[in-house]
Amino acid sequence: NAGVTQTPKFQVLKTGQSMTLQCAQDMNHEYMSWYRQDPGMGLRLIHYSVGAGITDQGEVPNGYNVSRSTTEDFPLRLLSAAPSQTSVYFCASSSLPGGSYGYTFGSGTRLTVV
Amino acid sequence: AQSVTQLDSQVPVFEEAPVELRCNYSSSVSVYLFWYVQYPNQGLQLLLKYLSGSTLVESINGFEAEFNKSQTSFHLRKPSVHISDTAEYFCAVSVGGGSNYKLTFGKGTLLTVNP
Repeated sequence: NAGVTQTPKFQVLKTGQSMTLQCAQDMNHEYMSWYRQDPGMGLRLIHYSVGAGITDQGEVPNGYNVSRSTTEDFPLRLLSAAPSQTSVYFCASSSLPGGSYGYTFGSGTRLTVV
Repeated sequence: AQSVTQLDSQVPVFEEAPVELRCNYSSSVSVYLFWYVQYPNQGLQLLLKYLSGSTLVESINGFEAEFNKSQTSFHLRKPSVHISDTAEYFCAVSVGGGSNYKLTFGKGTLLTVNP
């Protein structure tokens, strides 16, 4: 089924470890973004991309890196995990940057940093 | 910068009662407005959107929202809720120009429908 696929679904890291959260979409969407969801905080934008090779920072970019080498993939890297990065991470994509057709969300990655 | 305020963090209602989830936004330019729904342990799904034109927009499952530019509001309503409507609802605003847009979410409203 067409959509946004996130892996892994669950992950436990130790403080200081690094990892990459994967996001792939098969809808040929140009616009992709990463959000983190924390209780009582809603979803906050980490990084976004308007096309292959183009990325920009969102509201809470510190501690995260992204790259966009292909239209399909938009991985999120944690270089040195901290307990403050314990959260649920969602990847989203849209065919238009304004999201006028809506954004399609992945099912999320639940990350715990101990 | 734009912001979204959802005035109620939790709304408990009884089945078949009407409900209104409130959303206000701040932006000095034209916006696109959205309501998303998140069922437990799932991602977000688009419920409805306002881009332009008619200020009243409807979803396929009985929800509706009205864009009020003067009050900068986009409240979500349903005349009769079901148990299955229990979920968290997020209001969002998309602002930008050209290819540079950002989607900003409110903090969410947990709707709990009780029998």
